[in-house]
Amino acid sequence: GPKVLQIPSHQIIDMGQMVTLNCDPVSNHLYFYWYKQILGQQMEFLVNFYNGKVMEKSKLFKDQFSVERPDGSYFTLKIQPTALEDSAVYFCASSFPGLGYAEQFFGPGTRLTVL
Amino acid sequence: AQSVTQPDARVTVSEGASLQLRCKYSYSGTPYLFWYVQYPRQGLQLLLKYYSGDPVVQGVNGFEAEFIKSNSSFHLRKASVHWSDSAVYFCAVSAPGNYKYVFGAGTRLKVIA
Repeated sequence: GPKVLQIPSHQIIDMGQMVTLNCDPVSNHLYFYWYKQILGQQMEFLVNFYNGKVMEKSKLFKDQFSVERPDGSYFTLKIQPTALEDSAVYFCASSFPGLGYAEQFFGPGTRLTVL
Repeated sequence: AQSVTQPDARVTVSEGASLQLRCKYSYSGTPYLFWYVQYPRQGLQLLLKYYSGDPVVQGVNGFEAEFIKSNSSFHLRKASVHWSDSAVYFCAVSAPGNYKYVFGAGTRLKVIA
């Protein structure tokens, strides 16, 4: 079936550095999402994105976070600067317009470790 | 706001036995409901979804779930589990017209011989 890819699978960085997580969504999808899962906890919604704009963001989506999808390339989540509490697995998802928007396709996640 | 409770963090069943994984949600109307499965180092894969209509929905690999509005539940069932069903299962809810999921904490299923 359709696949969402995420690059890299694991990223280790020092606190205060910038990191960009990349997502390659399903090719004809137009809605994009990021979720965050801290080890042993629930997966939580961060942000969704459509037509070049953030539609909704949660309180977890701090000012240091930003998302974009320049020219139909990767959908990215940038954190600048990173903090220790940003260590988590970040899942990207995408969905198709219409009723099908409700069904999201997920990537395998990027494990971010902030030291 | 929506919420989802999966009360069983871990479930162990014998191969060939039946399975029920519990999911209860909180939402004032009729939500969209989903079950996903996650295998190690893979993304979440959709097992089944409920939007409206027949409250019993069939999914892949013999899974089914029943939406019971009066109980705010959407339990996942399988008549006979296989060792390959060992994985983490997530229940999720989405409000119609809303573009985000609220997930449960997940249930880790272990199938033993």
